[in-house]
Amino acid sequence: GEEVAQTPKHLVRGEGQKAKLYCAPIKGHSYVFWYQQVLKNEFKFLISFQNENVFDETGMPKERFSAKCLPNSPCSLEIQATKLEDSAVYFCASSLTSGTTGNTIYFGEGSWLTVV
Amino acid sequence: GENVEQHPSTLSVQEGDSAVIKCTYSDSASNYFPWYKQELGKGPQLIIDIRSNVGEKKDQRIAVTLNKTAKHFSLHITETQPEDSAVYFCAASYSNQGGKLIFGQGTELSVKP
Repeated sequence: GEEVAQTPKHLVRGEGQKAKLYCAPIKGHSYVFWYQQVLKNEFKFLISFQNENVFDETGMPKERFSAKCLPNSPCSLEIQATKLEDSAVYFCASSLTSGTTGNTIYFGEGSWLTVV
Repeated sequence: GENVEQHPSTLSVQEGDSAVIKCTYSDSASNYFPWYKQELGKGPQLIIDIRSNVGEKKDQRIAVTLNKTAKHFSLHITETQPEDSAVYFCAASYSNQGGKLIFGQGTELSVKP
């Protein structure tokens, strides 16, 4: 597709439940990024993929958060045993290539997770 | 690691005036500097970007300048319109690290008619 597609747009989970978010990057893009934005504040980098391989996971909380990008499937971000502080908008983004000349990163509309 | 500071956090201008938002970055290896506009309830939309081999770039009413020596870059919006009201984010990245963006804190721009 011509845009980064994220589902669901809104998700409500009780504390301790699992949450799973999905992202279809722009067709042909080989890099996928996940960011967390809390209360319209700055974006926190979580993880990036180069195709199906984890490229950089320095922002991922060690416990409870996991992500995958499998061939021929949407990428996913899963939070086990959600906590109140996980409430945020989770953005997926994709780019064609990193390259030495830089890259243009396109964002989806986000998935709004509310943990109650 | 990279750190990006953005100022001001809020900016209010009259329609037709210019608006300037400034960012500084810490990592001299960063070589790509995009600006995103985020409207309420939406994802960030790229409005302009600049790479480190260029000092200035313009697209209609929007321009970005980069001072690599001082590690500053700025967004300039001329002839502002009410539809320019949004939150603007600067970012920096080093392409050889997979292009991970480090964002500034955001500037809430309000253009009053």
